[in-house]
Amino acid sequence: GDSVTQMEGPVTLSEEAFLTINCTYTATGYPSLFWYVQYPGEGLQLLLKATKADDKGSNKGFEATYRKETTSFHLEKGSVQVSDSAVYFCALSQTGANSKLTFGKGITLSVRP
Amino acid sequence: DAGVTQSPTHLIKTRGQQVTLRCSPKSGHDTVSWYQQALGQGPQFIFQYYEEEERQRGNFPDRFSGHQYPNYSSELNVNALLLGDSALYLCASSRLASGGAFTDTQYFGPGTRLTVL
Repeated sequence: GDSVTQMEGPVTLSEEAFLTINCTYTATGYPSLFWYVQYPGEGLQLLLKATKADDKGSNKGFEATYRKETTSFHLEKGSVQVSDSAVYFCALSQTGANSKLTFGKGITLSVRP
Repeated sequence: DAGVTQSPTHLIKTRGQQVTLRCSPKSGHDTVSWYQQALGQGPQFIFQYYEEEERQRGNFPDRFSGHQYPNYSSELNVNALLLGDSALYLCASSRLASGGAFTDTQYFGPGTRLTVL
Protein backbone atom coordinates (compact mmCIF):
# COMPACT_ATOMS: atom_id res chain seq x y z
CA GLY A 1 0.00 0.00 0.00
CA ASP A 2 0.88 3.66 -0.11
CA SER A 3 3.26 5.06 2.49
CA VAL A 4 5.11 8.24 3.38
CA THR A 5 8.44 8.40 5.18
CA GLN A 6 9.69 11.53 6.88
CA MET A 7 13.11 12.19 8.35
CA GLU A 8 13.46 11.64 12.07
CA GLY A 9 13.07 14.63 14.33
CA PRO A 10 12.84 16.85 16.18
CA VAL A 11 14.65 19.64 14.38
CA THR A 12 15.90 22.73 16.18
CA LEU A 13 17.15 25.73 14.22
CA SER A 14 18.12 29.30 14.90
CA GLU A 15 16.06 32.08 13.37
CA GLU A 16 16.99 32.84 9.74
CA ALA A 17 18.55 29.41 9.25
CA PHE A 18 17.87 27.34 6.13
CA LEU A 19 15.36 24.52 6.53
CA THR A 20 15.11 21.20 4.73
CA ILE A 21 12.69 18.48 5.82
CA ASN A 22 12.97 15.28 3.84
CA CYS A 23 9.97 13.31 2.63
CA THR A 24 9.87 10.24 0.41
CA TYR A 25 6.90 8.18 -0.64
CA THR A 26 5.89 4.80 -1.98
CA ALA A 27 2.80 4.71 -4.13
CA THR A 28 1.42 3.36 -7.35
CA GLY A 29 0.69 5.73 -10.18
CA TYR A 30 0.92 9.48 -9.80
CA PRO A 31 -0.34 10.64 -6.42
CA SER A 32 -0.82 14.23 -5.35
CA LEU A 33 1.62 15.34 -2.65
CA PHE A 34 1.00 17.69 0.25
CA TRP A 35 2.67 19.36 3.20
CA TYR A 36 0.44 20.10 6.16
CA VAL A 37 1.43 22.09 9.27
CA GLN A 38 0.02 21.71 12.77
CA TYR A 39 0.57 24.53 15.23
CA PRO A 40 0.35 23.73 18.96
CA GLY A 41 -3.20 22.94 20.01
CA GLU A 42 -4.61 23.29 16.51
CA GLY A 43 -5.74 21.11 13.62
CA LEU A 44 -3.91 20.64 10.34
CA GLN A 45 -3.47 23.43 7.85
CA LEU A 46 -2.53 22.86 4.24
CA LEU A 47 0.85 24.48 3.61
CA LEU A 48 1.40 23.57 -0.05
CA LYS A 49 0.71 20.89 -2.62
CA ALA A 50 1.82 19.54 -5.98
CA THR A 51 -0.25 17.35 -8.25
CA LYS A 52 2.19 16.17 -10.90
CA ALA A 53 5.86 15.46 -11.47
CA ASP A 54 8.20 18.50 -11.46
CA ASP A 55 5.47 20.75 -10.04
CA LYS A 56 6.67 23.11 -7.32
CA GLY A 57 4.30 23.99 -4.51
CA SER A 58 5.00 27.17 -2.56
CA ASN A 59 3.44 29.18 0.24
CA LYS A 60 4.68 31.53 2.99
CA GLY A 61 8.27 31.15 1.84
CA PHE A 62 8.13 27.34 1.91
CA GLU A 63 8.73 25.32 -1.26
CA ALA A 64 8.64 21.67 -2.27
CA THR A 65 9.17 20.06 -5.68
CA TYR A 66 7.50 16.82 -6.78
CA ARG A 67 10.36 14.54 -7.83
CA LYS A 68 9.01 11.42 -9.49
CA GLU A 69 12.44 9.95 -10.21
CA THR A 70 13.44 10.00 -6.54
CA THR A 71 9.87 9.70 -5.16
CA SER A 72 10.53 12.70 -2.95
CA PHE A 73 8.84 15.93 -1.89
CA HIS A 74 11.31 17.69 0.37
CA LEU A 75 10.20 20.87 2.13
CA GLU A 76 12.55 23.87 2.14
CA LYS A 77 12.59 27.41 3.44
CA GLY A 78 15.42 29.85 3.03
CA SER A 79 15.05 31.69 6.34
CA VAL A 80 12.92 30.30 9.16
CA GLN A 81 11.17 32.39 11.79
CA VAL A 82 10.18 31.62 15.35
CA SER A 83 6.56 31.57 14.16
CA ASP A 84 7.39 28.57 11.93
CA SER A 85 7.72 26.37 15.02
CA ALA A 86 5.17 23.59 14.50
CA VAL A 87 4.76 19.98 13.44
CA TYR A 88 5.07 19.35 9.70
CA PHE A 89 3.40 16.41 7.96
CA CYS A 90 4.06 15.14 4.47
CA ALA A 91 1.10 13.36 2.86
CA LEU A 92 -0.12 11.88 -0.40
CA SER A 93 -3.42 11.02 -1.98
CA GLN A 94 -4.18 9.06 -5.09
CA THR A 95 -5.90 10.94 -7.87
CA GLY A 96 -9.54 10.13 -8.15
CA ALA A 97 -12.71 10.94 -6.33
CA ASN A 98 -11.78 12.23 -2.89
CA SER A 99 -9.25 9.59 -2.03
CA LYS A 100 -7.84 9.35 1.47
CA LEU A 101 -4.73 11.13 2.66
CA THR A 102 -1.80 8.99 3.77
CA PHE A 103 0.44 10.84 6.21
CA GLY A 104 3.99 10.51 7.40
CA LYS A 105 4.70 10.54 11.14
CA GLY A 106 5.41 14.25 11.21
CA ILE A 107 8.42 16.18 12.39
CA THR A 108 8.58 18.85 15.07
CA LEU A 109 10.40 22.03 14.15
CA SER A 110 11.52 24.41 16.88
CA VAL A 111 13.02 27.75 15.88
CA ARG A 112 14.88 29.68 18.55
CA PRO A 113 15.39 33.45 18.45
CA ASP B 1 -16.84 31.89 5.44
CA ALA B 2 -16.80 29.38 8.29
CA GLY B 3 -14.24 26.65 8.07
CA VAL B 4 -14.61 23.10 9.31
CA THR B 5 -16.01 22.98 12.83
CA GLN B 6 -15.95 20.10 15.29
CA SER B 7 -17.59 19.44 18.62
CA PRO B 8 -16.88 18.91 21.38
CA THR B 9 -13.33 20.20 21.79
CA HIS B 10 -12.45 17.76 24.54
CA LEU B 11 -14.11 14.64 25.85
CA ILE B 12 -13.32 12.22 28.67
CA LYS B 13 -14.87 8.76 28.69
CA THR B 14 -14.28 5.47 30.46
CA ARG B 15 -13.57 2.09 28.91
CA GLY B 16 -16.61 0.40 27.44
CA GLN B 17 -18.56 3.60 26.91
CA GLN B 18 -19.74 4.97 23.60
CA VAL B 19 -18.94 8.39 22.12
CA THR B 20 -20.26 10.57 19.31
CA LEU B 21 -18.17 13.27 17.69
CA ARG B 22 -19.62 15.87 15.32
CA CYS B 23 -18.33 17.75 12.32
CA SER B 24 -19.68 20.51 10.09
CA PRO B 25 -17.88 20.86 6.77
CA LYS B 26 -16.64 24.03 5.17
CA SER B 27 -19.30 25.90 3.23
CA GLY B 28 -19.70 24.45 -0.26
CA HIS B 29 -18.11 21.13 0.64
CA ASP B 30 -19.99 17.86 0.34
CA THR B 31 -17.49 15.23 1.44
CA VAL B 32 -16.32 14.51 4.98
CA SER B 33 -13.37 12.36 6.03
CA TRP B 34 -12.41 11.34 9.56
CA TYR B 35 -8.88 10.72 10.84
CA GLN B 36 -7.44 9.50 14.13
CA GLN B 37 -4.20 11.08 15.32
CA ALA B 38 -2.51 9.32 18.20
CA LEU B 39 0.00 11.28 20.24
CA GLY B 40 3.21 11.82 18.30
CA GLN B 41 1.89 10.16 15.15
CA GLY B 42 0.50 11.24 11.82
CA PRO B 43 -3.26 11.10 11.23
CA GLN B 44 -4.70 7.74 10.18
CA PHE B 45 -7.69 7.59 7.83
CA ILE B 46 -10.84 6.14 9.38
CA PHE B 47 -13.51 6.61 6.69
CA GLN B 48 -15.04 9.04 4.24
CA TYR B 49 -18.65 10.02 3.59
CA TYR B 50 -20.27 11.41 0.46
CA GLU B 51 -23.96 11.61 -0.37
CA GLU B 52 -24.72 10.12 3.05
CA GLU B 53 -22.83 6.93 2.27
CA GLU B 54 -19.49 5.56 3.40
CA ARG B 55 -17.28 5.60 0.30
CA GLN B 56 -13.92 4.53 1.67
CA ARG B 57 -12.77 2.96 4.90
CA GLY B 58 -9.37 2.60 6.50
CA ASN B 59 -8.13 -0.21 8.70
CA PHE B 60 -10.40 0.41 11.69
CA PRO B 61 -12.73 -2.06 13.42
CA ASP B 62 -16.51 -1.98 13.14
CA ARG B 63 -16.64 -0.25 16.53
CA PHE B 64 -16.00 2.87 14.50
CA SER B 65 -19.05 3.96 12.55
CA GLY B 66 -20.29 7.14 11.03
CA HIS B 67 -23.12 9.02 9.48
CA GLN B 68 -23.60 11.92 7.12
CA TYR B 69 -26.70 14.08 7.10
CA PRO B 70 -28.40 15.78 4.12
CA ASN B 71 -26.77 19.08 5.12
CA TYR B 72 -23.37 17.30 4.74
CA SER B 73 -22.54 17.39 8.46
CA SER B 74 -21.21 14.17 9.87
CA GLU B 75 -20.86 12.13 13.03
CA LEU B 76 -18.24 9.65 14.16
CA ASN B 77 -19.39 7.03 16.65
CA VAL B 78 -17.09 4.78 18.61
CA ASN B 79 -18.54 1.92 20.65
CA ALA B 80 -16.97 -0.12 23.45
CA LEU B 81 -14.17 2.38 23.97
CA LEU B 82 -10.66 1.10 24.62
CA LEU B 83 -7.75 2.91 26.22
CA GLY B 84 -6.08 2.86 22.82
CA ASP B 85 -8.87 4.96 21.33
CA SER B 86 -7.48 7.98 23.16
CA ALA B 87 -6.44 10.37 20.39
CA LEU B 88 -7.18 13.56 18.54
CA TYR B 89 -9.98 12.95 16.06
CA LEU B 90 -9.84 15.15 13.00
CA CYS B 91 -12.55 15.86 10.51
CA ALA B 92 -11.68 17.05 7.02
CA SER B 93 -14.00 18.31 4.32
CA SER B 94 -13.61 18.59 0.58
CA ARG B 95 -15.63 19.05 -2.56
CA LEU B 96 -16.06 16.48 -5.26
CA ALA B 97 -15.20 18.33 -8.44
CA SER B 98 -17.33 18.06 -11.54
CA GLY B 99 -16.77 14.76 -13.30
CA GLY B 100 -15.77 13.15 -10.02
CA ALA B 101 -12.24 12.49 -11.21
CA PHE B 102 -10.25 15.16 -9.38
CA THR B 103 -9.13 14.91 -5.79
CA ASP B 104 -9.78 18.24 -4.18
CA THR B 105 -7.81 19.55 -1.22
CA GLN B 106 -9.03 18.48 2.21
CA TYR B 107 -9.52 21.15 4.87
CA PHE B 108 -9.22 20.10 8.49
CA GLY B 109 -11.09 21.12 11.60
CA PRO B 110 -9.40 21.76 14.96
CA GLY B 111 -10.16 18.26 16.19
CA THR B 112 -11.77 16.63 19.21
CA ARG B 113 -9.40 15.38 21.90
CA LEU B 114 -10.79 12.10 23.28
CA THR B 115 -9.37 10.67 26.47
CA VAL B 116 -10.42 7.18 27.55
CA LEU B 117 -9.76 6.30 31.19
